[in-house]
Amino acid sequence: EDQVTQSPEALRLQEGESSSLNCSYTVSGLRGLFWYRQDPGKGPEFLFTLYSAGEEKEKERLKATLTKKESFLHITAPKPEDSATYLCAARWNTGFQKLVFGTGTRLLVSP
Amino acid sequence: DAGVTQSPTHLIKTRGQQVTLRCSPKSGHDTVSWYQQALGQGPQFIFQYYEEEERQRGNFPDRFSGHQFPNYSSELNVNALLLGDSALYLCASSFGWSQETQYFGPGTRLLVL
Repeated sequence: EDQVTQSPEALRLQEGESSSLNCSYTVSGLRGLFWYRQDPGKGPEFLFTLYSAGEEKEKERLKATLTKKESFLHITAPKPEDSATYLCAARWNTGFQKLVFGTGTRLLVSP
Repeated sequence: DAGVTQSPTHLIKTRGQQVTLRCSPKSGHDTVSWYQQALGQGPQFIFQYYEEEERQRGNFPDRFSGHQFPNYSSELNVNALLLGDSALYLCASSFGWSQETQYFGPGTRLLVL
């Protein structure tokens, strides 16, 4: 069964302390890797879509990268407002439109 | 540009009851997917509607059913509610059968007592 695994489960950073979140996935037949941000009690907010190894996308302090077996969400000089749960999701050729999500990384940035 | 909207925002039901949740897709989108998110977990795919037909279904029992209307809005129906159905129900929309990115609504929080 196609799977997505995220690590760490939780991460606590000081403001300005850069770090990376990891997302590993079933490699065979991957047809898209997605990152979302979710605030408590709200729906996921779309951040990035990645399709092929070596691809990178940036938005403000966030940069998403994709290798042949995992994806990283790099957070540079985070601010308290970056505190949220970051979800990774993937789609495979056999899954059509279905997104499979990881359990997320809860990020807390302290001032 | 109106995003994905869902109603109601919160709902409390008792075991055995039935519930209907509603979703209006983002402007220009014609495909709607439904997900269930339990506390502390990632969203789980329930099913997807395109051209008023259920196109794909996740591992959910037949108690979960849906509908898509000609204006692309959608409903999720859950019959014979169980305590375990308590969750955040998310609607996501996209454009066309092959469009990759799904945009989510704010969700409906369902509590079953």
